[in-house]
Amino acid sequence: QVQLVESGGGVVQPGTSLRLSCAASGFTFSSYVMHWVRQAPGKGLEWVAAIWFEDGTNKYYADSVKGRFTVSRDNSKNTLYLQVNSLRDEDTAVYYCARCSSHLTGTAPSDYWGQGTLLTVSS
Amino acid sequence: EIVMTQSPATLSVSPGERATLSCRASQSVSSNLAWYQQKPGQAPRLLIYGASTRATGIPARFSGSGSGTEFTLTISSLQSEDFAVYYCQQYKNWPPWTFGQGTEVEIK
Repeated sequence: QVQLVESGGGVVQPGTSLRLSCAASGFTFSSYVMHWVRQAPGKGLEWVAAIWFEDGTNKYYADSVKGRFTVSRDNSKNTLYLQVNSLRDEDTAVYYCARCSSHLTGTAPSDYWGQGTLLTVSS
Repeated sequence: EIVMTQSPATLSVSPGERATLSCRASQSVSSNLAWYQQKPGQAPRLLIYGASTRATGIPARFSGSGSGTEFTLTISSLQSEDFAVYYCQQYKNWPPWTFGQGTEVEIK
């Protein structure tokens, strides 16, 4: 069965960096577009980043994280990453990885989600 | 960027009653609209995609309708496990893929 397991969250100070990971199993990871979506405490869902399948050349970012966050993937390890730099208080959130349901396009919903990893930015 | 607006913010419903949730897009998304359910401490779960197609394993009491800019999620007879927050999301014009702010369905 499809499984997505995030890790790497924690408590960090403003201005620092961290790398979040999402280990995928139960499907052909390299064939799917993958997303990061975050949720601040008590708030709604916010799309953060997306990376295309295969070599992950195509990447997209929310304006709120552009220039600070970098999405990548290692298809040999079935793992998705989110490098988060220059962290701010407002980056505090649960970060979810999610699989786009289409093999071919981003014009599709996310059909599987991980349980999330909590990143807290606080001095 | 397409802005998604959900209403109401909170819906109070008694078990067994019907719940109707609305989602409006700032411009047409055709039928590229999904609904997700999220319970406290859990990840979102895909309920509906293509505005009206139930995802695998979703009970028939959940139905979606609409196209263009106006969409509705209906839960025909609320069960105890349906009390949750519901989000709509458009996936037509990206990036960004945008979500509504959510509707909380609470027990009346």
